[in-house]
Amino acid sequence: DAGVTQSPTHLIKTRGQQVTLRCSPKSGHDTVSWYQQALGQGPQFIFQYYEEEERQRGNFPDRFSGHQFPNYSSELNVNALLLGDSALYLCASSLDRGAYGYTFGSGTRLTVV
Amino acid sequence: AQSVAQPEDQVNVAEGNPLTVKCTYSVSGNPYLFWYVQYPNRGLQFLLKYITGDNLVKGSYGFEAEFNKSQTSFHLKKPSALVSDSALYFCAVRDLNYGGATNKLIFGTGTLLAVQP
Repeated sequence: DAGVTQSPTHLIKTRGQQVTLRCSPKSGHDTVSWYQQALGQGPQFIFQYYEEEERQRGNFPDRFSGHQFPNYSSELNVNALLLGDSALYLCASSLDRGAYGYTFGSGTRLTVV
Repeated sequence: AQSVAQPEDQVNVAEGNPLTVKCTYSVSGNPYLFWYVQYPNRGLQFLLKYITGDNLVKGSYGFEAEFNKSQTSFHLKKPSALVSDSALYFCAVRDLNYGGATNKLIFGTGTLLAVQP
């Protein structure tokens, strides 16, 4: 039984570019949340997708957007990349919007140069 | 607003000794509390959670945590540390501001546990 799968594992982008990160949730899960973990910090909530809609958003600008597909997989898009966007991006899947807890993926390490 | 604090950036302990990683919380209402562990260049692994019931919660890899409502603490403990326990540990609380609509987690800043052989 596969857990949460994220791709790619590492990514290097230039300032101003756009990036798309992908997440496949654990089998049986219907909710995907995205977190940003900057170096030396705890993960910060970006947003959550349930039933293909954004349900809640953290304190992140509109440059961060997402999507959830009918098979529950999700994408995180970041436009106009800044150096400060360099971080580990974690996907967490859950059932029923996290009522029973979360399973995290291994993350995508994004470096903006 | 809900929050958690991990007052120690790093905890050092000798292998075989008991370990404690501290966490205090601030919530309105009953807290849902979690501990996760992160190994280098990896995601978060769930250790244990407290929702209700016994104040002593047992989790994965021999870890346990004690919920103390009067002290608003949820410290992580293990009776005998292993070198392989060396990792970054995060305490988290479920955000109740949206009435459970999303159950997002609010994380502490993390505590690096270093177990010396």
